[in-house]
Amino acid sequence: SSELTQDPAVSVALGQTVRITCQGDILSSYSATWYQQKPGQAPIFLIYFDKERPSGVPDRFSGSRSGNKASLTITGALAEDEGDYYCLSHDSTSDRLIFGGGTKMAVL
Amino acid sequence: DVQLLESGGGLVQPGGSLRLSCASSGFRFRDYAMAWVRQAPGKGLQWVSTISGSGGTTHYADLVKGRFTVSRDFSNTYLQLTNLRAEDTAVYYCAKDSFPTLTGWLGTWGQGTLVTVSS
Repeated sequence: SSELTQDPAVSVALGQTVRITCQGDILSSYSATWYQQKPGQAPIFLIYFDKERPSGVPDRFSGSRSGNKASLTITGALAEDEGDYYCLSHDSTSDRLIFGGGTKMAVL
Repeated sequence: DVQLLESGGGLVQPGGSLRLSCASSGFRFRDYAMAWVRQAPGKGLQWVSTISGSGGTTHYADLVKGRFTVSRDFSNTYLQLTNLRAEDTAVYYCAKDSFPTLTGWLGTWGQGTLVTVSS
């Protein structure tokens, strides 16, 4: 299967740590990329190659991958981190990009 | 500053056609693949198409293959939409990949252009 599955919603208390997961067979072979999207805005490039941060992304965002699951961890969540988070993977066999369904994160 | 600006969206009838444009500035255009990603109202992101930096290689999601065509010229990326269906209604984003070929590392996005397919 080339699908990526994410929990629809998570919540985290202000200042606490939250993990957002993405699961799919494709992740056994290919790396994960993560995007953040706030309401009414375009997505923001957050993590690539499982755990690398583009310049400008705060270090409270980190990523990892093990087996067929990738994770995005936010350590010390801020109110501004509220939004939707999407994982993506590149299936090099078929040359397709596959997005997960997205996780809506609320900061309480 | 790297900038992407989409245009061309609008209301179109089922079966109709539309051409979206994405004007790029602030980077060496031919060095980067360009992607189109769409988002239906209230839904998640869906990759649509990517064209390589040279323009010689194109990739499409199965849902749009045969109906959409991606192309590029000196500083613009285009997406020709044909035989449109109601389910193609979405905001269409243009995004810059990080390499000349498809990686999905989309570092810069435009603001999007809304396509509404309805009679």
